[in-house]
Amino acid sequence: GAVVSQHPSWVICKSGTSVKIECRSLDFQATTMFWYRQFPKQSLMLMATSNEGSKATYEQGVEKDKFLINHASLTLSTLTVTSAHPEDSSFYICSARTQGLYGYTFGSGTRLTVV
Amino acid sequence: TQLLEQSPQFLSIQEGENLTVYCNSSSVFSSLQWYRQEPGEGPVLLVTVVTGGEVKKLKRLTFQFGDARKDSSLHITAAQPGDTGLYLCAGSEGFQKLVFGTGTRLLVSP
Repeated sequence: GAVVSQHPSWVICKSGTSVKIECRSLDFQATTMFWYRQFPKQSLMLMATSNEGSKATYEQGVEKDKFLINHASLTLSTLTVTSAHPEDSSFYICSARTQGLYGYTFGSGTRLTVV
Repeated sequence: TQLLEQSPQFLSIQEGENLTVYCNSSSVFSSLQWYRQEPGEGPVLLVTVVTGGEVKKLKRLTFQFGDARKDSSLHITAAQPGDTGLYLCAGSEGFQKLVFGTGTRLLVSP
């Protein structure tokens, strides 16, 4: 079946630094990937839609200059949290459209802690 | 703004009890999915419903999509401790992005 690999699974960084999270489709090509953020005991909030070879589409209220998304190939999308602050600490999850009209596969998530 | 409201937000029951989780929206969705998520992991797909009025069964879980494709329900019969988790509905808009509901946290005690 379709597998999405997300790396790293957890990361701790200092306030003011940048962190990059990778999302790879292992056995299929993903022209569209999605990035979500999840705070403790809350649901997933869609941050942006990542399209291969074009600019990402951000949801309302998401700072595109802070959350940089790059989808340079059909199997890799990256999310870079720039100048991270403690309030950016969260669980970040990516997903990819898979074959079939209703298919979505999710990564295992990245726990970001900014200290 | 969350487009999909789930109720209840939290449910604590004893093993063997039945329960229903509701997912409501004012928007019409092309398809609706239900996921279960464990702490520290990504959500895992349980079912996809597409047709208004559709009912799908997965062992002890029964899913229904509203006739107008705006709401859905998840019914669990004879809940077990292994059913504990965060249940999420998610609607697909135009077969593109997937928007999640507010979530229902279920705790089943032995």
